[in-house]
Amino acid sequence: GNSVTQMEGPVTLSEEAFLTINCTYTATGYPSLFWYVQYPGEGLQLLLKATKADDKGSNKGFEATYRKETTSFHLEKGSVQVSDSAVYFCALSDRGGRRALTFGSGTRLQVQP
Amino acid sequence: NAGVTQTPKFQVLKTGQSMTLQCAQDMNHEYMSWYRQDPGMGLRLIHYSVGAGITDQGEVPNGYNVSRSTTEDFPLRLLSAAPSQTSVYFCASTEGGWEFFGPGTRLTVL
Repeated sequence: GNSVTQMEGPVTLSEEAFLTINCTYTATGYPSLFWYVQYPGEGLQLLLKATKADDKGSNKGFEATYRKETTSFHLEKGSVQVSDSAVYFCALSDRGGRRALTFGSGTRLQVQP
Repeated sequence: NAGVTQTPKFQVLKTGQSMTLQCAQDMNHEYMSWYRQDPGMGLRLIHYSVGAGITDQGEVPNGYNVSRSTTEDFPLRLLSAAPSQTSVYFCASTEGGWEFFGPGTRLTVL
């Protein structure tokens, strides 16, 4: 079956530091890949997505590249802000079957001023 | 355009009670789903529906029922609540590979 593995958190960074949150996946076929963000007390918001190999999703300074050869979709940001503090979820969608999302366990990011 | 709405926002139940979590969307999406979010486990799929009149089980369906009589509404029923169902529940609708989540319902079962 499908699965998503994310790095354990929390990740604590100082403002303006470089961020990487690792995500690897296992899936049959060619899934679409997503990063969602959940701010405290809120629901999930789609941050970015990529639908095929070598696609790069980007939004709000965050980027992630769909790497089929390493089955990875690592999230990066060059300079984090305090307002980026949230929980980040990597997810995949099987294009065939159910189309529902399979989520990783989430990585909490804490950015200190 | 309200997107995906969920009610109630918070609920406390006693073991054995029943209740229905409401979910509605006004985007005319065919595909809707229910997830539960538990600490350290991400979101897990409970049930989903590919259109009115069609539902199917997800990863963790036990203890929950769903129905889809209209495109707009996808209620989730707990027939006999158990403490293990304490969680945050998210409803979502999907179109074109984009998943839109509701704000969530925080349920506590005592």
